[in-house]
Amino acid sequence: AQRVTQPEKLLSVFKGAPVELKCNYSYSGSPELFWYVQYSRQRLQLLLRHISRESIKGFTADLNKGETSFHLKKPFAQEEDSAMYYCALSGAGGSEKLVFGKGTKLTVNP
Amino acid sequence: DVKVTQSSRYLVKRTGEKVFLECVQDMDHENMFWYRQDPGLGLRLIYFSYDVKMKEKGDIPEGYSVSREKKERFSLILESASTNQTSMYLCASGDGELFFGEGSRLTVL
Repeated sequence: AQRVTQPEKLLSVFKGAPVELKCNYSYSGSPELFWYVQYSRQRLQLLLRHISRESIKGFTADLNKGETSFHLKKPFAQEEDSAMYYCALSGAGGSEKLVFGKGTKLTVNP
Repeated sequence: DVKVTQSSRYLVKRTGEKVFLECVQDMDHENMFWYRQDPGLGLRLIYFSYDVKMKEKGDIPEGYSVSREKKERFSLILESASTNQTSMYLCASGDGELFFGEGSRLTVL
């Protein structure tokens, strides 16, 4: 069964500090992993996906198949990064349904 | 830009009422989804559809049904609303990358 675990409900850091949002997954095949973000009063939107290997808004995430993790990292957090972050998983090719974690609320303090 | 539009942003209904939530997308996506979003529980998939007139149950389909008569439109139906269906409902479309609507906040009294 597909499962996504985000162990932290809340995460609070100071501006300029590094931030890491954890995501672990369970999937028997080759997954496709995503991070979605929801800023206050905005719709949920894609932040990044592992196959693109891009850095978006300074965030990166590396798929570690050995540890079944896809942690989201940013070296220097900004106040505008405060948002709800969801890790999500789908089957290879992204054609299957997307399963989401419970989310981590990130607060970046001035 | 992809646009996913949910017809109602806020609804207040009474227990037992029938509720329709409508969603329209303008990017010709085959896949459409309905999630509910609750604090501490994240997004949970209710139903999804891969094509017109096709539907599949998600993780929490009980108490819900869906309709997809046209490719661009995916409706969520609560036949008899209950208080535990008070939630934010999110519609999405896409393949891999999903595009979400703004959400419909339903309160059942």
